[in-house]
Amino acid sequence: EVQLVESGGGLVKPGGSLRLSCAASGFTFSSYSMNWVRQAPGKGLEWVSSISSSSSYIYYADSVKGRFTISRDNAKNSLYLQMNSLRAEDTAVYYCARVFCSSTSCYAGTVGYWGQGTLVTVSS
Amino acid sequence: EIVLTQSPGTLSLSPGERATLSCRASQSVSSSYLAWYQQKPGQAPRLLIYGASSRATGIPDRFSGSGSGTDFTLTISRLEPEDFAVYYCQQYGSSRYTFGQGTKLEIK
Repeated sequence: EVQLVESGGGLVKPGGSLRLSCAASGFTFSSYSMNWVRQAPGKGLEWVSSISSSSSYIYYADSVKGRFTISRDNAKNSLYLQMNSLRAEDTAVYYCARVFCSSTSCYAGTVGYWGQGTLVTVSS
Repeated sequence: EIVLTQSPGTLSLSPGERATLSCRASQSVSSSYLAWYQQKPGQAPRLLIYGASSRATGIPDRFSGSGSGTDFTLTISRLEPEDFAVYYCQQYGSSRYTFGQGTKLEIK
């Protein structure tokens, strides 16, 4: 069974930093691209960042580019999101998300599995 | 960045009725790389449709997707009580993936 467990969320002041982690299990982590997707309270979904299986391709939403850094450690089956220069508008539940794969292909950017999410609150 | 606009914002229907949800893109979505997700309160989203019209694993056939270019549609042929939720479209044809703002499907 695929499991994605996020950690590292919490309350941080504007301008501060936070590092989110995601522990993956139940699948061969090193074979799949991964995403971070966030959802502000009562709002819609926002894609944040994606990383390919070998870290060769990394993409960011314009709203976080230059402030957030996605990374992974395939030996530890872990995904990370380093968040710097945090703003009030970064307040959201952050989901760790694995790409969706059919029986024949994987579809980069889609999400087939989600974690339970970790709440990040940016407030003074 | 491709902006996705979903309509209507809220759709009020009764079980057994047909639901039609729209997703319009600000520019053409490459190779129909358009997905639909369902989200219920307090839960993570679930992938319904990928490639504009292919159902994901385990998704009932009352859910269907269609469209190409800039206009896409999710149709639920006969609404079941468990279908009332928020639905999001997402494009993954460009490297900056984006979601629509969502359509809330509520019981009339």
